[in-house]
Amino acid sequence: DAGVTQSPTHLIKTRGQQVTLRCSPISGHKSVSWYQQVLGQGPQFIFQYYEKEERGRGNFPDRFSARQFPNYSSELNVNALLLGDSALYLCASSLEGQGPKHTEAFFGQGTRLTVV
Amino acid sequence: LAKTTQPISMDSYEGQEVNITCSHNNIATNDYITWYQQFPSQGPRFIIQGYKTKVTNEVASLFIPADRKSSTLSLPRVSLSDTAVYYCLVGGGADTDKLIFGTGTRLQVFP
Repeated sequence: DAGVTQSPTHLIKTRGQQVTLRCSPISGHKSVSWYQQVLGQGPQFIFQYYEKEERGRGNFPDRFSARQFPNYSSELNVNALLLGDSALYLCASSLEGQGPKHTEAFFGQGTRLTVV
Repeated sequence: LAKTTQPISMDSYEGQEVNITCSHNNIATNDYITWYQQFPSQGPRFIIQGYKTKVTNEVASLFIPADRKSSTLSLPRVSLSDTAVYYCLVGGGADTDKLIFGTGTRLQVFP
């Protein structure tokens, strides 16, 4: 079975630009979450979507937005990019939106975003 | 959500058993304990999850004492490929909608 797939794997953008990152969850998983990981730190929660609705939002500015499609894939959008947005963006899928079936999550390889 | 405390780093040699302990004094009744492994420039990988006592799978064991205020991830006979960062997370109750990662434990395995 295919795991969580993310695209693109690497991306270089200029300050002020906008970026869209994509994620396809494991088949049958209804929850998709997004995390940002900067060098030397653990992943930080950005969003969770479950059954196409936002279920949770982390402490990120409104420049960050996301959505989930009927096939459960998801996009993360970041507007007005700042240098500090440079990070590894991770997508995680899980069977459920809460509970132990949520904390048993499967992560993609991530998208490495560099803002110059 | 309960805060976790784990060693920043650990060193070991190939073939040894490695035990990484995590403290979570404020764990809630409905929280689970979950461990992830992460290699550089890759997403975290789920290792094991438990609620109480002992859980074992093909890669690790998780020991949880009766008071559940700590847990120990045990990796038997580590190899160089086990060099990674290991994260202990607490949550998974009905109100858990996110994973809270700390800074993890950086395990270095030497030949």
